Amino acid sequence: DIVMTQSPDSLAVSLGERATISCKSSQSVLYRSNNQKYLAWYQQKPGQPPKLLFYWASTRVSGVPDRFSGSESGTDFTLTISSLQADDVATYYCLQYYSAPYTFGQGTKLEIK
Amino acid sequence: EVQLVESGGGLVQPGGSLRLSCSASGFSFSSYDMHWVRQAPGKGLEYVAAITSNGDTTQYAGSVKGRFTISRDNSKNTLYLQMSSLRTEDTAVYYCLELPRFWGQGTLVTVSS
Repeated sequence: DIVMTQSPDSLAVSLGERATISCKSSQSVLYRSNNQKYLAWYQQKPGQPPKLLFYWASTRVSGVPDRFSGSESGTDFTLTISSLQADDVATYYCLQYYSAPYTFGQGTKLEIK
Repeated sequence: EVQLVESGGGLVQPGGSLRLSCSASGFSFSSYDMHWVRQAPGKGLEYVAAITSNGDTTQYAGSVKGRFTISRDNSKNTLYLQMSSLRTEDTAVYYCLELPRFWGQGTLVTVSS
């Protein structure tokens, strides 16, 4: 199984500051036939199901604010919030959907400092 | 509008069985692989099972293999999860989803005596 190692477990950032969450896969999640990396980012608020933010590592879902960005380098993936807003307080998860059983990172709880 | 509506959750004793259902609408259900993911109270997301669009192939997490069975009825646009030999550690909200995009609201399964 592919192991997704997410860091940090929790993060406190001041309003308007940058937040960065990392996720590393234990092996490649690149699907060569379409040259896409099968990595998704989700935002989950208490009592709600996860909300998809990015798929293919860096393709932003329609309606997601552009202060959110996804990037990748090899097997390292990053979710960045450029200017933290109060509404961004949530837990964030990465997911590899390249190889079953699909696997999630352990989650990063983002709070306001 | 895509909708995934889970049902069938509830309280069950250890060793018991339960069948979850997920009714899908707003997309071509029979064209997509479908999945179950769960989340124990206060914990992260755990991938449970997957089934291909035609139902021919299934995959399971090691923690549920041999106890859970995923199935689907494309004529009814419905996904199922038959759970048996339930353990207290199976207590969780169970989500039906079309990865990576669409999630249901979840149904709570509580395994307790």
